[in-house]
Amino acid sequence: QAQLVESGGGVVQPGGSLRLSCAASGFNFGGHGMHWVRQAPGKGLDWVIGIRYDGSQTYYADSVKGRFTISRDNSMNMLFLQMNSLGVDDTAVYYCAKYDGDVRALDVWGKGTMVIVSS
Amino acid sequence: QSALTQPPSASGSPGQSVTISCTGASSNVGGYYFVSWYQQHPGKAPKVIIYNNAQRPSGVPDRFSGSKSGNTASLTVSGLQAEDEADYYCASYIASNNWVNWMFGGGTRVTVL
Repeated sequence: QAQLVESGGGVVQPGGSLRLSCAASGFNFGGHGMHWVRQAPGKGLDWVIGIRYDGSQTYYADSVKGRFTISRDNSMNMLFLQMNSLGVDDTAVYYCAKYDGDVRALDVWGKGTMVIVSS
Repeated sequence: QSALTQPPSASGSPGQSVTISCTGASSNVGGYYFVSWYQQHPGKAPKVIIYNNAQRPSGVPDRFSGSKSGNTASLTVSGLQAEDEADYYCASYIASNNWVNWMFGGGTRVTVL
């Protein structure tokens, strides 16, 4: 059974950094693109950043350009999100999600990890 | 403001049907773009219920159906049940010129009266 488990969330001051991790199991991790999607409290889903199955290319929303970096370790079935220069608008639950190219959908989601940016 | 427009709310009595629209443009919904729909219960992760505009993953009840016409995609929930009360999001997968991004609608809260 495919599963994603995020970790690394917490409280950070504005301007600070945080690194999120996502542990994958139950599927061929190295065969799928992966994405981070966030949800601010009481708000909708907001795509943040993605990475190709082999890590050769990354894609990001304008709102995080130059601040967030996505990476992966296919040997460890791990996905990472390095977040720098955090602002209050980055406060959200961060979900990692698996992309299935056959169905063009994010078909597996983790339960999310909360990031709070506050002084 | 989301690039894909959904009504903020919809409601229906048990057994009735409700349809949610998702309006975009030719650059994100119309033409050769694929829309998926996600259901999210409070405090839970989203779950895909429709992909490729109109297909259902295994395990999703056939009460859920999707369609697309022009720049508007739609999700219909027939025979509403109490457990269908949730937030629903449409999303478009956009890939061109070696770039990929996802565009989500603002979400629709479905209330079962």
